[in-house]
Amino acid sequence: AQSVAQPEDQVNVAEGNPLTVKCTYSVSGNPYLFWYVQYPNRGLQFLLKYITGDNLVKGSYGFEAEFNKSQTSFHLKKPSALVSDSALYFCAVRPRGQNFVFGPGTRLSVLP
Amino acid sequence: EAGVTQFPSHSVIEKGQTVTLRCDPISGHDNLYWYRRVMGKEIKFLLHFVKESKQDESGMPNNRFLAERTGGTYSTLKVQPAELEDSGVYFCASSQVKAGGAGEQYFGPGTRLTVT
Repeated sequence: AQSVAQPEDQVNVAEGNPLTVKCTYSVSGNPYLFWYVQYPNRGLQFLLKYITGDNLVKGSYGFEAEFNKSQTSFHLKKPSALVSDSALYFCAVRPRGQNFVFGPGTRLSVLP
Repeated sequence: EAGVTQFPSHSVIEKGQTVTLRCDPISGHDNLYWYRRVMGKEIKFLLHFVKESKQDESGMPNNRFLAERTGGTYSTLKVQPAELEDSGVYFCASSQVKAGGAGEQYFGPGTRLTVT
């Protein structure tokens, strides 16, 4: 079965420190990879995606993600966290021609 | 441009009752999707409309769930009769790009359904 894992339910980081939210996946083929963020009482917002090419993808709000094919991972990173980055983050993969497969989400708390 | 909207934002009903959720996609988006997130778990695909036609309904859990998109604009998702395990957050998303491609989907804020 196709699946996406986000091994940490919660990530806490101090403001100004780098952050990483982990994602690994198990799907067939070469899927498209996405990160979405959900702020309170809002819908999921697109952050970034990997289609092909450079393994480091840059997205909105200073976030970036690194694709590692051998480890089937797509970890989300930011060099310097802000309190306003506190939210729920979802990793999603899309096998080509198929629907999204989402991870369970990771709650990020950035402490002032 | 208005985003995807969903109504109601929260619904609390008793087991056995009926609830109808509504989704208004971004104007002009032919693709409309329904997803569900049960507490703390992954967001799961329910079904996909292209205009008014059901393209893929493989994620619908059972025949108590009925989705419609008359006229290819807004969509409704009816649960009848509701069961306790139907509780969760129901998300709607829309896109204009070809389904299964690399384009992102635009999500609504979700409807939190609580069945007691």
